[in-house]
Amino acid sequence: AQSVAQPEDQVNVAEGNPLTVKCTYSVSGNPYLFWYVQYPNRGLQFLLKYITGDNLVKGSYGFEAEFNKSQTSFHLKKPSALVSDSALYFCAVRDTFSGGYNKLIFGAGTRLAVHP
Amino acid sequence: DAGVTQSPTHLIKTRGQQVTLRCSPKSGHDTVSWYQQALGQGPQFIFQYYEEEERQRGNFPDRFSGHQFPNYSSELNVNALLLGDSALYLCASSLLLAGGETQYFGPGTRLLVL
Repeated sequence: AQSVAQPEDQVNVAEGNPLTVKCTYSVSGNPYLFWYVQYPNRGLQFLLKYITGDNLVKGSYGFEAEFNKSQTSFHLKKPSALVSDSALYFCAVRDTFSGGYNKLIFGAGTRLAVHP
Repeated sequence: DAGVTQSPTHLIKTRGQQVTLRCSPKSGHDTVSWYQQALGQGPQFIFQYYEEEERQRGNFPDRFSGHQFPNYSSELNVNALLLGDSALYLCASSLLLAGGETQYFGPGTRLLVL
């Protein structure tokens, strides 16, 4: 079955330090991978995606993600965390059996807490 | 450029009732997907509409139905509400013919079933 795993329920980091939020996936074929962020009582905001090409993908708000095919991982990173980055982060993969349509399969989410 | 909008923002219903949620896609988008996000979980795909037809469906019962209108807006209907239907319902839009891989989400409708 196709799936996404976010092994950490919560990540704590000090402001100014680098952050990493982990994601691993299991799909058939070439993966389309996404990161979204959710602030309290809000919908999901798109951060970045990997479809093909360079394994390091740059996105919004200084975030980037590294695609590693051999490890089936797509970890989200930021060189210097801000308190305002504190939110819930979701990794998602496109269901490769969805044909031309885009069913997304989400992980359970990782709560990022950035401390001053 | 208006993003994805949803209405209402909050809704309280009782078991057995029916509810209709509404979504207007991002300008220029033609595909609408609906997701259910239970508390503490990631969003779960309900179904997707393109050209006014349901194109894909997740593992949800027939109590969940939808519609897409000629202007690409969409409705999600849930009949015979159960307590377990309490969740944040998210609408996402995309442009299918442009690859359409990126879905943009609305703020959601929070449904509470008592």
